[in-house]
This record gives sequence, C-alpha cells and structure tokens, in this order.
Amino acid sequence: GQQLNQSPQSMFIQEGEDVSMNCTSSSIFNTWLWYKQDPGEGPVLLIALYKAGELTSNGRLTAQFGITRKDSFLNISASIPSDVGIYFCAGQARGGNNRKLIWGLGTSLAVNP
Amino acid sequence: DVKVTQSSRYLVKRTGEKVFLECVQDMDHENMFWYRQDPGLGLRLIYFSYDVKMKEKGDIPEGYSVSREKKERFSLILESASTNQTSMYLCASRSYSNQPQHFGDGTRLSIL
Repeated sequence: GQQLNQSPQSMFIQEGEDVSMNCTSSSIFNTWLWYKQDPGEGPVLLIALYKAGELTSNGRLTAQFGITRKDSFLNISASIPSDVGIYFCAGQARGGNNRKLIWGLGTSLAVNP
Repeated sequence: DVKVTQSSRYLVKRTGEKVFLECVQDMDHENMFWYRQDPGLGLRLIYFSYDVKMKEKGDIPEGYSVSREKKERFSLILESASTNQTSMYLCASRSYSNQPQHFGDGTRLSIL
C-alpha cells in the first residue's frame, strides 16, 4: 500500500533540545494526524490537522498542515526524557479511499538526559 | 475519553491453530480497524469495518478474516496460524471518516 515519506528515521538528542520531523506525500490530503507510540503500547493521538496552513499546538508540540496539502511537520520544543518513543504521521484524502489512513514509517526519538 | 480494549496483551499459539483477537470500543464508533506492526514496516492495515456486518480488505488481508456482529466489537481471526503471523496487532476505532483513529494497547502474538 501507499506510504508517506517520514524523516528523519531516527534522532538522538540531548535533553532540552528542540526536535523537528516531517512527512511528505505525492498525494493531496485533507487530514494530517500525528501520533506517538511508547514501547509496548498503542499509538496515541497528539495533534490533528484539518486545513491547509493550519498551525496547532499541544503543550510543547506544534504541528503544521502544509500549504500544498502534501506535507506536514511536527516540532517538539525543549525535549524531556519522556518524549522518547516513535512518532508517526498519517494522512487521509477525500475520495475513494477516504476511510483509510496512509502512514509514515515513524521517527524514533531518543533523548539523552 | 475513548477506550479501545484488546482482549490480550500477550498471546502464544501454535502453528495451524485458529486464533481469535478481540477488540471492543466504548464510544459507539462507526469504523473499526485491525493493523499489524512489524519493525521497519510501520503500521499495515489488515481489514477495516465501517459498519456492523460490513468489512473491507486492507493492504495485507491474506491469512486473516474478521467479524463485526455488534457495533462495539471487531474480531480478527487467523484461520490457520503461521509463524510469519508473529507480530504486534493493533485495533483502532473512529467515529466517522474524517475523525482520528484511537488505538488499543495492542496484542503481541507469537506463533510457535
């Protein structure tokens, strides 16, 4: 199936640093979602974006829906050890496949205290 | 808060067994999904259901079937388990098509 191009694949940073990751698609999406998965758990929704250009924050997390509707990014400011995990982007288009999400392969984040 | 409950966190079965994975959601959601997650391959959709008794194949349906007899429950069935079905299985639900999916904690299934 189709997949999103998510980068970077992994990051190892120092506590307190800012983090940025992004996803790109060859298709136009109407919804972008960002999830975090802790080891051994299911993904948890962080931020949902529904409009091109939309910028949404959730605490230290900020995500944007790209103007072209083909990309999105997630920023984490002032990282802390509990930010460790895998971050997934997911997009959804309107139309024939509008019930399915297309997923990135994830960004694995490690934070050195 | 949405609660998606998967019946087992860990399960060990033998090759050739018929395996049932159960998922229940408590928010009256229309749509439910089954994914498997393997290292380096991300989340891959096995089957989904957009209404009771309705089902659609995802990207990797081979070797699996599903059942949705009641709105709150979505079952994944491995008809004859094989070792290549050892994986993390995740269930998700959402209210309707443009709403986010909410996940259960997953079932780590080992087929010996």
